[in-house]
Amino acid sequence: QIHLVESGGGLVKPGGSLRLSCSASGFIFSDYYMTWIRQTPGKGLEWIADIASSGATSHYADDVRGRFTISRDNAQNLLFLQMSGLRVDDTAVYFCARDPPDYWGQGTLVTVSS
Amino acid sequence: AIQMTQSPSSLSASIGDRVTINCRASQGIRHDLRWFQQKSGEAPKLLIYAASSLQSGVPSRFSGSGSGTDFTLTITSLQPEDLGTYYCLQDHDHPHTFGQGTKLEIK
Repeated sequence: QIHLVESGGGLVKPGGSLRLSCSASGFIFSDYYMTWIRQTPGKGLEWIADIASSGATSHYADDVRGRFTISRDNAQNLLFLQMSGLRVDDTAVYFCARDPPDYWGQGTLVTVSS
Repeated sequence: AIQMTQSPSSLSASIGDRVTINCRASQGIRHDLRWFQQKSGEAPKLLIYAASSLQSGVPSRFSGSGSGTDFTLTITSLQPEDLGTYYCLQDHDHPHTFGQGTKLEIK
């Protein structure tokens, strides 16, 4: 069955960087667009970015454009989110999902705090 | 960005009730709307895609309708396991945007 497992979350100081990973199994990863979505108590669910199946194109939410980079490794069935210039309001649970969203991972918590 | 306005923000209903949740888009999105259910501590689960198509494995008491700017999720005969928060998502245009959620409680 389809499995998505995020990793890489943790505590980071404002201005810091973090790289999230998402390991996919149970489907042909290279056939699907993939996406990152985050959830905060205050702002609910927020779509962050998606990437084409080939990795050639990507889209970003205004709030993260220029700070976050989505990428993928189709040979390893991995999706990544490189986050830099982190702010306190980036604190959230980050989910990876197939795009348009159907199957989701369980999420990884990112906490940005001094 | 397309704004998604969901209503109500919360509701309380009894077992067996018919429940409707609405989502309005700030501009036309054809049928490019999804509905998700999220239970506490879990990832969202897809219920409906393309506004009215039932995701495989989802009980038939869930249905979706609408097109353009106005959409509805209906639960006929509410069950105890339907407790949770429901979200709409437009995937018509980037950035994709979610509604703010509807928290469903069982009376």
